[in-house]
Amino acid sequence: DTAVSQTPKYLVTQMGNDKSIKCEQNLGHDTMYWYKQDSKKFLKIMFSYNNKELIINETVPNRFSPKSPDKAHLNLHINSLELGDSAVYFCASSQDLAVGRETQYFGPGTRLLVL
Amino acid sequence: GIQVEQSPPDLILQEGANSTLRCNFSDSVNNLQWFHQNPWGQLINLFYIPSGTKQNGRLSATTVATERYSLLYISSSQTTDSGVYFCAVDPGSGATNKLIFGTGTLLAVQP
Repeated sequence: DTAVSQTPKYLVTQMGNDKSIKCEQNLGHDTMYWYKQDSKKFLKIMFSYNNKELIINETVPNRFSPKSPDKAHLNLHINSLELGDSAVYFCASSQDLAVGRETQYFGPGTRLLVL
Repeated sequence: GIQVEQSPPDLILQEGANSTLRCNFSDSVNNLQWFHQNPWGQLINLFYIPSGTKQNGRLSATTVATERYSLLYISSSQTTDSGVYFCAVDPGSGATNKLIFGTGTLLAVQP
């Protein structure tokens, strides 16, 4: 029944490793997003995809690469993890980008700790 | 870029009290949402309210787009209302739906 799900919930890893976070939504939405919440609770958008097409790519290091195999999935791959990547990563989705259909629904978050 | 400011930054209430949280934004917006982040970290969508007034149980929200602010009212607060309340806006500079989040209001409701 979960609308937006993420795996894993927790991720603890060493500096320099490569890791992926997966996101799936079963709402039939066209648009998906990745946000990062830092240790001070500040939330910032990283990427968005609409119908598998990249729409938003904020100033994010190119070690971060999103991949959307289909409209229901948006995965985040991170290469060469650094200490500063430790954060909570949230996936979200919206029906699409049109006015009135852009309400965003968030997943439970993935807590990443880089040691 | 657009600035989103929330006040107060922190708020402590006794159970049963009412409160008003404010969100000011510096430019016109297409989308405005209020979220509650509970103590377990889950972000819960409360309202989609780019303009007008909406009510959902003990919560209601009003956005006055022409004056660039939104208010979230919590009545008869309960301990389960504790957490951080975020306002987020989409500046609408293009068809991107990029939500810019405020810094949040940390609410603690004491029994």
